[in-house]
Amino acid sequence: DGGITQSPKYLFRKEGQNVTLSCEQNLNHDAMYWYRQDPGQGLRLIYYSQIVNDFQKGDIAEGYSVSREKKESFPLTVTSAQKNPTAFYLCASSRGVNYGYTFGSGTRLTVV
Amino acid sequence: KNEVEQSPQNLTAQEGEFITINCSYSVGISALHWLQQHPGGGIVSLFMLSSGKKKHGRLIATINIQEKHSSLHITASHPRDSAVYICAVDQGAQKLVFGQGTRLTINP
Repeated sequence: DGGITQSPKYLFRKEGQNVTLSCEQNLNHDAMYWYRQDPGQGLRLIYYSQIVNDFQKGDIAEGYSVSREKKESFPLTVTSAQKNPTAFYLCASSRGVNYGYTFGSGTRLTVV
Repeated sequence: KNEVEQSPQNLTAQEGEFITINCSYSVGISALHWLQQHPGGGIVSLFMLSSGKKKHGRLIATINIQEKHSSLHITASHPRDSAVYICAVDQGAQKLVFGQGTRLTINP
């Protein structure tokens, strides 16, 4: 079955280190998204990409970077510049406008 | 004020009860989504609607565009329905704005 795979499920990082979260989809979707979820808050958009080799900043892009070299993959790097990186990160994809979204199972990042 | 407001924030009910979760929004939208998030964190898309009503099994979603309001109903609720239900509105350009979620607990 097609879907989105996020890895790892749990990730621990020391302060000052960069870390990359993986997101892979085999749905042939053009658009991919990264969201951050904090307790008691709705999901917030970090970055999105509507086509290979192109991506746009979302509402909270500071301290994050992405790449979209392949249609299937949209990795998110949490850099040391992100002041409060401990959160739950969700990746999603969509076929395009007027279509629904498919979400991954998430990665819980903890900075220690 | 959040652009998407859900109520209630928490809801506990007994098995078999009829459940209603509400979502109000203040922005123009092209579609509204209802999502389900289980304790492990993964999210499943339940409905996408832009008008009227949709039904899938025991779940029913309605939307009133004029009143900027949507409801998610669960009939004959079951403990396996326990989850966080999230309303999200699509403002176009595929940018979703999410509500804070409603935590539903169904007791046997």
